[in-house]
Amino acid sequence: EAGVAQSPRYKIIEKRQSVAFWCNPISGHATLYWYQQILGQGPKLLIQFQNNGVVDDSQLPKDRFSAERLKGVDSTLKIQPAKLEDSAVYLCASTGMSQPQHFGDGTRLSIL
Amino acid sequence: AQRVTQPEKLLSVFKGAPVELKCNYSYSGSPELFWYVQYSRQRLQLLLRHISRESIKGFTADLNKGETSFHLKKPFAQEEDSAMYYCALTGGGSNYKLTFGKGTLLTVNP
Repeated sequence: EAGVAQSPRYKIIEKRQSVAFWCNPISGHATLYWYQQILGQGPKLLIQFQNNGVVDDSQLPKDRFSAERLKGVDSTLKIQPAKLEDSAVYLCASTGMSQPQHFGDGTRLSIL
Repeated sequence: AQRVTQPEKLLSVFKGAPVELKCNYSYSGSPELFWYVQYSRQRLQLLLRHISRESIKGFTADLNKGETSFHLKKPFAQEEDSAMYYCALTGGGSNYKLTFGKGTLLTVNP
């Protein structure tokens, strides 16, 4: 099966600019997750979708981060405006019913 | 609140030596525990989960509820085992979110 696809792989922007990441989950996986992984730390969940509905966004900084999964398949994560502390790898993962999560390659974001 | 602690950031062993990567957790219910691995320039991937009780690439991990631990073990380390290892837990149910530890970088020297 094709894995979780993410783009872009790398992104460099200046602080206060905006950026968007895209994720295409494994076909048929209803649940999609976005994680933030800061250097030297494990991934931290930002938001979880079940189909096109949000299940958990308790750790999403909603003043600057937003995410959507309009048709229950692809998802986008946006940061506007970016801050220096947003420099991280952004991981997308998906899962089917009671299955472990499958991760994409991630997007490495650098804020100058 | 759920928390995963991996006390060792770095672990270095020689090829053929036993290896144990420690993981302790805090969770009020009955969690499901996982080990994920990330090899150089590859994506994060599942190594094993406690409910399957299987051995993958010679690694095993036993859930010890009394000590709230889920240590990863391999009797004879190989150079290709060098990677970043993350312990993670989920409470299961409909909200299957993972809480990760900070990871342990394992280096197996020739």
